[in-house]
Amino acid sequence: EVQLLESGGGLIQPGGSLSLSCAASGFTFSTSNMNWVRQAPGKGLEWVSAISNSGGNTYSADSVKGRFTISRDNSKNTLYLQMNSLRAEDTAVYYCAKAYNMDVWGKGVTVTVSS
Amino acid sequence: DVVMTQSPLSLPVTLGQPASISCRSSQSLVYSDGNTYLNWFQQRPGQSPRRLIYKVSNRDSGVPDRFSGSGSGTDFTLKISRVEAEDLGVYYCMQAAHWPLTFGGGTRVEIK
Repeated sequence: EVQLLESGGGLIQPGGSLSLSCAASGFTFSTSNMNWVRQAPGKGLEWVSAISNSGGNTYSADSVKGRFTISRDNSKNTLYLQMNSLRAEDTAVYYCAKAYNMDVWGKGVTVTVSS
Repeated sequence: DVVMTQSPLSLPVTLGQPASISCRSSQSLVYSDGNTYLNWFQQRPGQSPRRLIYKVSNRDSGVPDRFSGSGSGTDFTLKISRVEAEDLGVYYCMQAAHWPLTFGGGTRVEIK
């Protein structure tokens, strides 16, 4: 069964850093492009960042550019999101999603940025 | 950025009746490979999003055939032929033809 399991969320103060992980199973991770997508409380979906299967190409939304870094370790079947300089508006459930067309989603992890 | 505009924002429905959601993009979603990368997602209350339709009209595995997608270029539609209780939730369109990837604002399907 194809599965994505996010971890690493929590409560963090503004200006702080947090690292999210997404463990993949049930498919060939190394051949799949991957995404992070977030959803602020009561709001819609917002694409955050994407990475190609090899990790050679990355893309990010303007709202996180220069603060968030997407990466992957194909030997560990794991996707990462390093989040720095966090702001209150980064508070959201963060999902990882497989492929640029997002055919499989994880259950999400909550990030709360608050003092 | 490609702006995805969905309508209506809220769609009150009667169970057993059809429903239709519109999605319009600010640019053509036809990619250089000839494919149109427009996808539809369903998010039930308290759940993660689930993809229903990819490349305009292709149903994902396990998606009931009462769901159908159509359209071309910049104008797309998701139709539910007969709404069932399990279909309630929020529906999003999303384009994957241009960076950054963008979602529509969502359409909430609820009981009338």
